[in-house]
Amino acid sequence: KQEVTQIPAALSVPEGENLVLNCSFTDSAIYNLQWFRQDPGKGLTSLLLIQSSQREQTSGRLNASLDKSSGRSTLYIAASQPGDSATYLCAVSGNTPLVFGKGTRLSVIA
Amino acid sequence: DTAVSQTPKYLVTQMGNDKSIKCEQNLGHDTMYWYKQDSKKFLKIMFSYNNKELIINETVPNRFSPKSPDKAHLNLHINSLELGDSAVYFCASSQSVSADTQYFGPGTRLTVL
Repeated sequence: KQEVTQIPAALSVPEGENLVLNCSFTDSAIYNLQWFRQDPGKGLTSLLLIQSSQREQTSGRLNASLDKSSGRSTLYIAASQPGDSATYLCAVSGNTPLVFGKGTRLSVIA
Repeated sequence: DTAVSQTPKYLVTQMGNDKSIKCEQNLGHDTMYWYKQDSKKFLKIMFSYNNKELIINETVPNRFSPKSPDKAHLNLHINSLELGDSAVYFCASSQSVSADTQYFGPGTRLTVL
C-alpha cells in the first residue's frame, strides 16, 4: 500500500530565504508525482508534475526533483515571498489512485 | 472561466438527511474524481470516473453514490448523512487516468449537525 510522508509538517522562514520541502513514498512503482499548493479554505492548485522517467521540473522560482529509486522528492522554493505562504501537498500516482501526503504548512514572514 | 466548479460551496444539514453536491468541468477531460479532506486536512480519493464509467471506488460506504450523466459532470449524492461525513469534498478532473495533472475544484464544506 502506497504511503506518502511529508517533512516537516510546518515551516516558518523569513522572506527571501531559499527552502526545501521533502516528500517520501514507499512504493517506487509510480507513474508520476505532483506538487500542489492549497491556500486556507481553497482548493488545490497544481504546481509541478514530474513523470516517473523525469528527474526534475522547474516553474519560475519552483524546482521539483524526483528520485524514484529512493522514493524521494523535494520541492525547492527560491527567494521565498509572503505570498508563498500556503500548505504544500505532494501526491503520487501509480497502481493505486493518487495518494497524498499530509502536507507541509509554510509561513513566509515579511 | 472556472475550470472545475462545484456547488454548493457550503452545505449545513441535519443527520439523516440526503444531500447532493454537483461538479462540472469545462476542460474537456475524460476523467473525474471525488476526494474527501477530513478535519486533519488529510486528502483521500473516494471515486474516479473515466468516460462516465466508475473505475475507482475506495471502500466508500454505499450511502455515497456518484453519478456521471456525461463526461463533464460528476455529482455526489449522500444518503442518511452521519456526523462523520462532515468534511470538505473536492472534485477534480484530468485528461486521462493516472498520468496527467489533476485540476481541483474549490471544494464543498459539508457540516452535519
